[in-house]
Amino acid sequence: RKEVEQDPGPFNVPEGATVAFNCTYSNSASQSFFWYRQDCRKEPKLLMSVYSSGNEDGRFTAQLNRASQYISLLIRDSKLSDSATYLCVVTRTISNFGNEKLTFGTGTRLTIIP
Amino acid sequence: EPEVTQTPSHQVTQMGQEVILRCVPISNHLYFYWYRQILGQKVEFLVSFYNNEISEKSEIFDDQFSVERPDGSNFTLKIRSTKLEDSAMYFCASSQTGYSGNTIYFGEGSWLTVV
Repeated sequence: RKEVEQDPGPFNVPEGATVAFNCTYSNSASQSFFWYRQDCRKEPKLLMSVYSSGNEDGRFTAQLNRASQYISLLIRDSKLSDSATYLCVVTRTISNFGNEKLTFGTGTRLTIIP
Repeated sequence: EPEVTQTPSHQVTQMGQEVILRCVPISNHLYFYWYRQILGQKVEFLVSFYNNEISEKSEIFDDQFSVERPDGSNFTLKIRSTKLEDSAMYFCASSQTGYSGNTIYFGEGSWLTVV
């Protein structure tokens, strides 16, 4: 089983629509959870952290369900600039010095259609 | 905003040649990482580095790979004898502190093509 699984998509969504991405992770020792965004041939950029209580940042809402090992991202009122690959990322501390290891999903490709 | 910088942005090398990818982490950061992404695949962890030594490495990071922080500012990844399958985007990353939830900043990547 993959450590982090995402639907690869692609999701082709009209501008203004709401789109939801899901992700599951297999390692129950995972400690922190994030959504990153990656544009074509660019570096991953942190979009938002994900908490069990749910968190919102403008049009973006993220949710974590630790019991189900499930993470979600909701994008409302999608914009053309939201077109990107969305990466589900889980982390855990891998050394006594505090180094973290990020484990990435394969990403979900989103294209917003005008 | 401070950033992680990487050079070169793109390098083409012949199979069997040595390659050094360079990174300048954010100045007050203490934890350093290399990740790679083969075209069309996911981002994969290679190695983490703290206090001038490797703290963890993946199975990808075999004897052909090494990392170094030669002068207190640069952080390098060396591939001794490149193979075709080393062709990938290599991302350097750094963070100020360790442990869970700390933001890790990525550089723009070095695209390595082995021919």
